Amino acid sequence: DQQVKQNSPSLSVQEGRISILNCDYTNSMFDYFLWYKKYPAEGPTFLISISSIKDKNEDGRFTVFLNKSAKHLSLHIVPSQPGDSAVYFCAASGTSGTYKYIFGTGTRLKVLA
Amino acid sequence: DAGVIQSPRHEVTEMGQEVTLRCKPISGHNSLFWYRQTMMRGLELLIYFNNNVPIDDSGMPEDRFSAKMPNASFSTLKIQPSEPRDSAVYFCASSGQTSGNTIYFGEGSWLTVV
Repeated sequence: DQQVKQNSPSLSVQEGRISILNCDYTNSMFDYFLWYKKYPAEGPTFLISISSIKDKNEDGRFTVFLNKSAKHLSLHIVPSQPGDSAVYFCAASGTSGTYKYIFGTGTRLKVLA
Repeated sequence: DAGVIQSPRHEVTEMGQEVTLRCKPISGHNSLFWYRQTMMRGLELLIYFNNNVPIDDSGMPEDRFSAKMPNASFSTLKIQPSEPRDSAVYFCASSGQTSGNTIYFGEGSWLTVV
């Protein structure tokens, strides 16, 4: 049973436009969410996170939005750059401090020059 | 500061052979995770250690899989006997109070079982 779902396996966006990656979760006990970025032949690297006490967190071109009632989060990248082309994973953790993270299946983003 | 170190980076083995993957977490981190990446299931948590103790191994697929953490700086994931369907990328990750709620991944071990 997939508790964290990324229903779009791939996404193509033109350079300079907005990329929106979506993630849904089923477990209402999740209270901390992260996005990771993965290039081929490398390990995932941390991108941005959000706690359930917030509904938005911004870091430069990256913004994560959390809608707790819908159990949905999204990652916005504005403006998108070719170097953003990678696989993006969302992850969720419950009961802050347990550090057990459940990951989604990933979305492959391709930013077209 | 060194990140999470995994070995081997690539392993090709024959079906039925024993495979041992190794991980050195970031110094000072007290939580260690083993994940497996496949196309169908994405990053799948296999087992999670806290202070060298296995806390949750519910993701370990079968008894053929075992993991140990004999000390704070070393962990192994063993598959015996290996099968072709075990072919995947296996990631080790660690976290701790110094990293907040962020886990840091190694570069992965690419396993191919033929």
